[in-house]
Amino acid sequence: DIQMTQSPSSLSASVGDRVTITCRASQSISSFLNWYQQKPGKAPNLLIYAASSLQSGVPSRFSGSGSGTDFTLTISSLQPEDFATYYCQQSYRTPLFGPGTKVDIK
Amino acid sequence: EVHLAESGGGLVKPGGSLRLSCAASGFGFSGTWMSWVRQAPGKGLEWVGRIKSKTDGGTTDYAAPVKGRFTISRDDSKDTLYLQMNSLKTEDTAVYYCTAESAKSIASSWYVYFNYWGQGTLVTVSS
Repeated sequence: DIQMTQSPSSLSASVGDRVTITCRASQSISSFLNWYQQKPGKAPNLLIYAASSLQSGVPSRFSGSGSGTDFTLTISSLQPEDFATYYCQQSYRTPLFGPGTKVDIK
Repeated sequence: EVHLAESGGGLVKPGGSLRLSCAASGFGFSGTWMSWVRQAPGKGLEWVGRIKSKTDGGTTDYAAPVKGRFTISRDDSKDTLYLQMNSLKTEDTAVYYCTAESAKSIASSWYVYFNYWGQGTLVTVSS
């Protein structure tokens, strides 16, 4: 079975910071990797699909990269509304989410 | 506008059953693969299972922790998705979301993602 890990599990950052979150798969998943943002009490929201394609309506400060086993979500300049938890999800086999990365205010 | 609305959550005793519903609107429900995703209190997201569209066979897949206990079905005439949960355990306590899957072809590969989500319904399994 494919396992997904994310690092860090949490981070503290300031508005304007560049933030990078890493997701790793236990075997190659090509580019079958999606990223979601979830705020407390809300449903997740799709940010990135196919590793690097920005979902319509998502701000361009979000970007995704990687293929194979190692992937990255980057927020180029953190905004107040970006404080949330971020999940990666592989769609190579039956869906599986990573454990999440919580981004909070420093 | 796409809208997914779950209902049917509540408190149930261990070993009991519950059926969740998800009413869909604003998109072609019958042609869409649908999934259930759950989130235990304070925990991450866990995919529960999916049902394909009838044109793609209407088959179901389940995550290991729920296989044999949960059943996903759909009524395309009512644009409604269901999750029948039997033999419930305390560890099934979670917010249950229904999601609509989208797919996009890029360089001859189809990439699937959870594009639309409901607001979730809380299921609490406790004696």
